This record gives sequence, structure tokens and C-alpha cells, in this order.
Amino acid sequence: QVQLRESGPGLVKPSQTLSLTCTVSGGSISSGFHYWTWIRQHPGEGLESIGYIHYSGNTNYNPSLESRVTISVDTSKDQFSLNLSAVTAADTAVYYCARLANDAFDIWGQGTVVTVSS
Amino acid sequence: QSALTQPASVSGSPGQSITISCTGTSSDVGTYNVVSWYQQHPGKAPKLMIYEVTKRPSGVSNRFSGSKSGNTASLTISGLQTEDEADYHCCSYAGSGTWVFGGGTKLTVL
Repeated sequence: QVQLRESGPGLVKPSQTLSLTCTVSGGSISSGFHYWTWIRQHPGEGLESIGYIHYSGNTNYNPSLESRVTISVDTSKDQFSLNLSAVTAADTAVYYCARLANDAFDIWGQGTVVTVSS
Repeated sequence: QSALTQPASVSGSPGQSITISCTGTSSDVGTYNVVSWYQQHPGKAPKLMIYEVTKRPSGVSNRFSGSKSGNTASLTISGLQTEDEADYHCCSYAGSGTWVFGGGTKLTVL
């Protein structure tokens, strides 16, 4: 079955760019009916959608983060990535990648903790 | 794009039924039949429990059911079990390719 796994630095300095990669296994990222998303969860809080990408490269971002977010896809590696620029302590969170299918986030990675601190 | 409103906590005894509400607006829950619910145990990733308001993914117990009325969606868990103790998050499509989540509800099984 399809599995997702996040990877990337767990510590990022303020004002720098947070970069994470999600690797898809057990299936192809190039499925026409799925979108690949990033979602984060601040400590002790609810979930927040960051944005998503289709394997064709079409993207959609949360308006509140749009000016700082870039999501890209590498179909040859079955990976998609998140770049979040100019981070502050408010970006400290658990970051999840997930698959969007049938109007829901049906498969999730295990999550990765990212702390923004100098 | 404001977060959906959920109660911070609910509780119930084993065998009982509980309902968690999720209140949005006419821009999200009220317009789209695209509400989903996620169960999250401590330190774990969320798990999809309900999608498109009422549908259950394969493998999810039929003790979990969803509904919607106006701007409010609801998740009902019947025959509560100790393993149901977790956080529950609702989510709705909000138009223009955007998604909004609730703040989460902590379910305690007494």
C-alpha cells in the first residue's frame, strides 16, 4: 500500500528557509486523481493546510502562507517538497505530508518536528 | 479563512455514544458536502475516519458516523471503547482549492 515519509532538518534558524521532502512508496506520485499535500500542526493545536501539488505541477497554497511557500514535485523520484521561506518561531510545528484523494486526506506520513530557533 | 469551531473536549463512558460538533460558515461546511474527520492518538499522525460528510473508509468501524446540518457537521461515536480516546479533527473544503480544519476535540473515555 502507499506510504509517505517526510525527511529534512529538524532545526532551522530564524529568517532561513525550511525545506522538507516527502517520499512516496508503494505507488506512483503520478496518479492522475491524487494531490500531494503539506499540513502542519503547531504544538498543542489543530491542523493547518499549507498547500498541495498535482504531479502535473499545478499547485494551490493556503492564502495565509502563500507569499512564503513553494511546493514542487519530482516524479522521477516519487517525491514532492516544501520550501517555506523567512521562517520565525511561529513556524515551529510538526509537518505532515499527506495524499488528497476522494476529497479527503487519506494517507499521512508519520510527521516530522521542525523547530525554528537560533 | 477562519478555522472551524470544535469543542475543546468531550467525554463519555464505555458503551455510551458521543457527538462532536464542527461549526463552520456558509463559505465552507454550509456549501460543500466535503467534510472529513480524523482521529489522532498522542504522538501519531491523523487517521481518516469519515469523508464526504458520511462515508467511512474501508476498515473504519461502523461505530463512527458523520452528518451535517446547515453550517455544522457532526461526528458520532457509538458504543465507546477505551481505544477511541484520542483527538478528533474536522476538515472542510472552503472553495478555491483551499481547506480549513477545526481546532480539534479531545475525547476522554472515562
